[in-house]
Amino acid sequence: DTGVSQNPRHKITKRGQNVTFRCDPISEHNRLYWYRQTLGQGPEFLTYFQNEAQLEKSRLLSDRFSAERPKGSFSTLEIQRTEQGDSAMYLCASSPWDRGMYEQYFGPGTRLTVT
Amino acid sequence: AQSVTQLGSHVSVSEGALVLLRCNYSSSVPPYLFWYVQYPNQGLQLLLKYTTGATLVKGINGFEAEFKKSETSFHLTKPSAHMSDAAEYFCAVIKSNQGGKLIFGQGTELSVKP
Repeated sequence: DTGVSQNPRHKITKRGQNVTFRCDPISEHNRLYWYRQTLGQGPEFLTYFQNEAQLEKSRLLSDRFSAERPKGSFSTLEIQRTEQGDSAMYLCASSPWDRGMYEQYFGPGTRLTVT
Repeated sequence: AQSVTQLGSHVSVSEGALVLLRCNYSSSVPPYLFWYVQYPNQGLQLLLKYTTGATLVKGINGFEAEFKKSETSFHLTKPSAHMSDAAEYFCAVIKSNQGGKLIFGQGTELSVKP
């Protein structure tokens, strides 16, 4: 069990560019969640997957955001046409929900800065 | 609507003193409750959880929390603070009949004075 990993850890991009983040969950965790955290705030839910199915998306997830989890393993979060307001820490978490365990284990996050 | 309120955005204690971080929740169904700790520029680490069973739960690093349904509270305590406890602490709730997304409080920054 190597924990949840996220890449890259830091991303600086210019406004209008597209960015993609990757999350590798703990193996055999069937649920994967994405959150966004801005400075001084608690994380806010974006979306989650159960295996490869995306089951819920927050209203925070505009049309510029898309997430995938092909084959129910790793997940990617893409932001198109980035805006300065997208600058935040993007956190990924996984959970063994199918085993009746509801806690989520978080990765180190990807810090996005849009200039 | 479900929410989590953490009383006090900043708490400062002396090393060796009691740590008490307050969390109140609102939920129309039995909640699952969690405390997480976050060190600067890192992800969140699970301290402890309450789902069912014993209302006093013990976590890592000497922390514990008590679920009080009548007070809708889940306060975090530690008998003796250590310098390494300085961090941001988040209380979070999952509604037991929903998809498992965590709803977080705004966090409490704990400072520990020598």
